[in-house]
Amino acid sequence: AQKITQTQPGMFVQEKEAVTLDCTYDTSDQSYGLFWYKQPSSGEMIFLIYQGSYDEQNATEGRYSLNFQKARKSANLVISASQLGDSAMYFCAMREDQTGANNLFFGTGTRLTVIP
Amino acid sequence: NAGVMQNPRHLVRRRGQEARLRCSPMKGHSHVYWYRQLPEEGLKFMVYLQKENIIDESGMPKERFSAEFPKEGPSILRIQQVVRGDSAAYFCASSLRDRGYTEAFFGQGTRLTVV
Repeated sequence: AQKITQTQPGMFVQEKEAVTLDCTYDTSDQSYGLFWYKQPSSGEMIFLIYQGSYDEQNATEGRYSLNFQKARKSANLVISASQLGDSAMYFCAMREDQTGANNLFFGTGTRLTVIP
Repeated sequence: NAGVMQNPRHLVRRRGQEARLRCSPMKGHSHVYWYRQLPEEGLKFMVYLQKENIIDESGMPKERFSAEFPKEGPSILRIQQVVRGDSAAYFCASSLRDRGYTEAFFGQGTRLTVV
């Protein structure tokens, strides 16, 4: 089974509108971490936001917020007030703390296009 | 404070040659991870190293690929006798901690093209 599932290959959003990028995860660990990264066309991986499994509050970083629903195993990224520079690939990733692995598991990504 | 530095950014190799990719982690970070990204795909874990130790190489192909993180100098990912299927972007990431890290910063990647 996929550890991270991103079901939206592509999304469009009007400039200045908010957009939600979906991410569901699969783990039996009680302790884990969820990450979102942005990959613009230039190719680098930019860290956006982190949510720990024991964090009670949803993480926020500027215009980015993470809608964490633990029971549903979802960790959706919300981008408010979209800007043209937000057009990029977005990847959701998970770190598991109890399986012995220390790496990140990535989803297949969502390509976001912001329309002027 | 410099971020994760990878070089070269782009590397072209003929089939059968060796590719050597370098990664210097963020200052103070002693945990290094290598990932591979095939076109239009997410990143896949290859290997996790600490200084002078390979901790987890479960994602590394069994042949032709090796990695090291010496006491001095950058981490190196080496691919011997490259084939067309090795063409990909290779990313290095570093973290301050091993367990429970809340930030993992990536370098800009090395795009390997095998011709």
